[in-house]
Amino acid sequence: DTGVSQDPRHKITKRGQNVTFRCDPISEHNRLYWYRQTLGQGPEFLTYFQNEAQLEKSRLLSDRFSAERPKGSFSTLEIQRTEQGDSAMYLCASSSQPLFYTFGSGTRLTVV
Amino acid sequence: AQSVSQHNHHVILSEAASLELGCNYSYGGTVNLFWYVQYPGQHLQLLLKYFSGDPLVKGIKGFEAEFIKSKFSFNLRKPSVQWSDTAEYFCAVNAPRDDKIIFGKGTRLHILP
Repeated sequence: DTGVSQDPRHKITKRGQNVTFRCDPISEHNRLYWYRQTLGQGPEFLTYFQNEAQLEKSRLLSDRFSAERPKGSFSTLEIQRTEQGDSAMYLCASSSQPLFYTFGSGTRLTVV
Repeated sequence: AQSVSQHNHHVILSEAASLELGCNYSYGGTVNLFWYVQYPGQHLQLLLKYFSGDPLVKGIKGFEAEFIKSKFSFNLRKPSVQWSDTAEYFCAVNAPRDDKIIFGKGTRLHILP
């Protein structure tokens, strides 16, 4: 399968712990997006990379969140000092041209 | 800033019924519009999109949507639904020169066999 891969699929963590998620985009895609989806809501934009450059960050992305995309390939999203409100599905999407997203299956985070 | 409103949170229909899911967007200028679908246990997939041209857009699996600029609407339709259409449907909008897509809250569609 050459789609967008996200790891892990599920993560349960205690409040206050740090977590890191990984997204591997389709190899020729230079754009990479992170979204968050909570219960009863649609995906909410978090941040966006073109190659290794982080071009936009949502106000939803507090100081506890950081995303990187070293070398313009895979990306990581780290959440420090997790809170119960961070429980959500974290979605990654990639594209080779604007607006033609391919989504991954997501990482479901549960903070207990 | 763009926003999207989906009127129905949960719709239940019987097979062969006709479907129309409402979507309104809020943005004063030219927009690009999308419908995405998420089948149970699967990732989000593009159903159809409108960038310009014919306001009646046909997508996969017999779905279509009509862009009505005067009503800021982009409703999704299917003349006869199937049990396999059970899924969550998201309307989404993009403003040109903006690389991100803004999603509505979604409509959960349940088709009774």
